[in-house]
Amino acid sequence: EPEVTQTPSHQVTQMGQEVILRCVPISNHLYFYWYRQILGQKVEFLVSFYNNEISEKSEIFDDQFSVERPDGSNFTLKIRSTKLEDSAMYFCASSLRTSGMWELFFGEGSRLTVL
Amino acid sequence: GQNIDQPTEMTATEGAIVQINCTYQTSGFNGLFWYQQHAGEAPTFLSYNVLDGLEEKGRFSSFLSRSKGYSYLLLKELQMKDSASYLCAVKNGANNLFFGTGTRLTVIP
Repeated sequence: EPEVTQTPSHQVTQMGQEVILRCVPISNHLYFYWYRQILGQKVEFLVSFYNNEISEKSEIFDDQFSVERPDGSNFTLKIRSTKLEDSAMYFCASSLRTSGMWELFFGEGSRLTVL
Repeated sequence: GQNIDQPTEMTATEGAIVQINCTYQTSGFNGLFWYQQHAGEAPTFLSYNVLDGLEEKGRFSSFLSRSKGYSYLLLKELQMKDSASYLCAVKNGANNLFFGTGTRLTVIP
């Protein structure tokens, strides 16, 4: 069964360092997303991406964040200068379409710990 | 903006039925989803409602009333493995999915 894969599964970094989280969406999917979940809190929407550009982003997704689809398979989230409050589980997701009944497929997540 | 409310925690007995409620106010509405999330894992899809009424899928059913901004997830014949968080999520007018805080369900013997 096709799945969304994410790397790394866990990353520990120092405050102020740049971090890149990588995702390989399901191969025929067209819409890509990043969500985050701070421990014990809700899953929060960060950004959606389609046709090589951002479709929508939340207030959380400030200038410190960027996304990129550098080739035909990877979708990355970059945090330029990490802060303590960026510590969270980051989930990548993809979908085939957005209209009608669609299922958002999530990866297993990348746990980011900022020290 | 999005406002999606669910009870924080619920406890139910193995074999019983439990109903998890969700109320929402969103900028546009294109469907309501329920996801299950075990601790430390990714959310997994359970159900989808876009029209009013009940959708049944095995032991799980989900109901939607768009006029009331209300949904519930009904779990029947509870099993211990159903202990998890249940996330109500709404697809907004831009077709992006926004999650509620989740309801942590504990199933006891």
